[in-house]
Amino acid sequence: SYVLTQPPSVSVAPGQTARITCGGNNIGSKSVHWYQQKPGQAPVLVVYDDSDRPSGIPERFSGSNSGNTATLTISRVEAGDEADYYCQVWDTSDHRLFGGGTKLTVL
Amino acid sequence: QVQLVQSGAEVKKPGASVKVSCKASGYTFTGYYMHWVRQAPGQGLEWLGWINPHSGGTNYAQKFQGRVTLTRDTSISTAYMELNRLTSDDTAVYYCARDHGISNAMDVWGQGTTVTVS
Repeated sequence: SYVLTQPPSVSVAPGQTARITCGGNNIGSKSVHWYQQKPGQAPVLVVYDDSDRPSGIPERFSGSNSGNTATLTISRVEAGDEADYYCQVWDTSDHRLFGGGTKLTVL
Repeated sequence: QVQLVQSGAEVKKPGASVKVSCKASGYTFTGYYMHWVRQAPGQGLEWLGWINPHSGGTNYAQKFQGRVTLTRDTSISTAYMELNRLTSDDTAVYYCARDHGISNAMDVWGQGTTVTVS
């Protein structure tokens, strides 16, 4: 079965750029979606179809996807961006699959 | 505004069943698939399945096949998730989430329902 691999944690200083990866076999051929989840809250969709943003999501959030790695990039990181981030793809038989999640720490 | 409101927390004994509701408002309930996702304490997100509110058709993750049932009542714009034969491993927050429609993402989430099996 398909597996999505995310680093458990990423740390970045305020104002810098955070990059969170999501690895999978030929993931570039799939559409990847990204969710932000803050403690005690439901997830929020921040990027869909690799690089599109829902309305209300800041332009600081962007995505890319090629080869075996999809990447969520957060520019000019703020303290409020500290959260868990999950990637998600469509899997065979119209199922959905999540990565294990990455905890973003703002130093 | 588009909103999903879930039922309250549940405490169940091992072997029992739980049924969680998800009431939709602010959009056409039958126009979007509804997903169910759970999150065990300190763990990641796990997809359980989806229901097509228009037809009632369902699709379940293999892990939960035979133990989970998704239903809906279109008259009150509410989706339901029932999980049987509960064990302590089913202790989690259960979310309903609307399918994006444009992509296969989930664009609106309920607030979550905590199910404790003890």
